[in-house]
Amino acid sequence: DSGVTQTPKHLITATGQRVTLRCSPRSGDLSVYWYQQSLDQGLQFLIQYYNGEERAKGNILERFSAQQFPDLHSELNLSSLELGDSALYFCASNNTLAGGYSYNEQFFGPGTRLTVL
Amino acid sequence: AQKVTQAQTEISVVEKEDVTLDCVYETRDTTYYLFWYKQPPSGELVFLIRRNSFDEQNEISGRYSWNFQKSTSSFNFTITASQVVDSAVYFCALSEAGNQFYFGTGTSLTVIP
Repeated sequence: DSGVTQTPKHLITATGQRVTLRCSPRSGDLSVYWYQQSLDQGLQFLIQYYNGEERAKGNILERFSAQQFPDLHSELNLSSLELGDSALYFCASNNTLAGGYSYNEQFFGPGTRLTVL
Repeated sequence: AQKVTQAQTEISVVEKEDVTLDCVYETRDTTYYLFWYKQPPSGELVFLIRRNSFDEQNEISGRYSWNFQKSTSSFNFTITASQVVDSAVYFCALSEAGNQFYFGTGTSLTVIP
């Protein structure tokens, strides 16, 4: 058990809908990272939050957004869903230096499997 | 260009054979870290090892060993005497500038009993 929790575990929805994925980092970790893993794209970095602030952005679509709350949990919002958004979405956290920089290993949650029909 | 290349998409070995998973990375930074993660069929990503760019010593942990060679920008992972429980997808990753991770596309290892 990595200490990172994600809910829900599975999500099935229809095209055009909006969903919210939730992540709670390990105790003490200030940084949260979101990744998308699909069969044809591998593991793609989406976005990082550090102590409530956006720190780094990867291949995140404009239809997707995220935030990190004062209690450090994070939510990833996916809107106007398309079939191609079906994937496994991972949240990870790690121990980060001030400013959000870190070379420390990331610990991953169990993932949320999103199926868009 | 890919920052982390895992050229082996799928590998199958018979139990007790040794197997090496290749990882080649690309960076202009002098300070960077390399990682290996395991993703078993259950889906979670499990951290295996972290290595910094200033430490080229090979590392051994039980049946696992890692060979880091800056001259060839490689960070290869060897499993000795493979077991069925080693069947998983293995990812190599690079972190530069203390920022985002770059993951390779993974190598799917199947160990046949």
